[in-house]
Amino acid sequence: ELKVEQNPLFLSMQEGKNYTIYCNYSTTSDRLYWYRQDPGKSLESLFVLLSNGAVKQEGRLMASLDTKARLSTLHITAAVHDLSATYFCAVQGGTSYGKLTFGQGTILTVHP
Amino acid sequence: SQTIHQWPATLVQPVGSPLSLECTVEGTSNPNLYWYRQAAGRGLQLLFYSIGIDQISSEVPQNLSASRPQDRQFILSSKKLLLSDSGFYLCAWSVVARTGELFFGEGSRLTVL
Repeated sequence: ELKVEQNPLFLSMQEGKNYTIYCNYSTTSDRLYWYRQDPGKSLESLFVLLSNGAVKQEGRLMASLDTKARLSTLHITAAVHDLSATYFCAVQGGTSYGKLTFGQGTILTVHP
Repeated sequence: SQTIHQWPATLVQPVGSPLSLECTVEGTSNPNLYWYRQAAGRGLQLLFYSIGIDQISSEVPQNLSASRPQDRQFILSSKKLLLSDSGFYLCAWSVVARTGELFFGEGSRLTVL
């Protein structure tokens, strides 16, 4: 059974600081996704990582994938208040008909 | 471009009442369709997925059911709701042969009293 674990689960940051969210998964996969969820809203796709070594960047967020270590990271640079949200990673298993298994989510709060 | 619509957005239902949530996708053919539930506390649980019309797979035993009467329509139902059915229900679609990325609807928030 595929398990996906994120840490930390809660992250309180000051504006301007850097931090990294980690996503570990238990079985072989080369498809990993990051999503953002604002309170009371649906999930919005941030990054799609489809191969070992993939790196994607959008604004102050950068995601990477190491399939050998079964690890993805979401790095936040110079955080701003607008980044406050819950961030999920999700992994697609091998023959899973596209089913994604989600991590628990990381609640990020950015303070002035 | 592809869009996904889900309704109703919010509903409050008594225990034992029926449920029907509907989801439709536009702008793509033969998508995979999914129902996820997000209970309080954030995690997303896959309830059902479908790879084609009338092809439904259930991930967890429960008193919910799903149907796909048309290629781009996915319905979540219950004959008798339980308190534990409360949550945020999300419909999603993907095309596995592409990136496999899931695109979510706006969600339906169900409160069972």
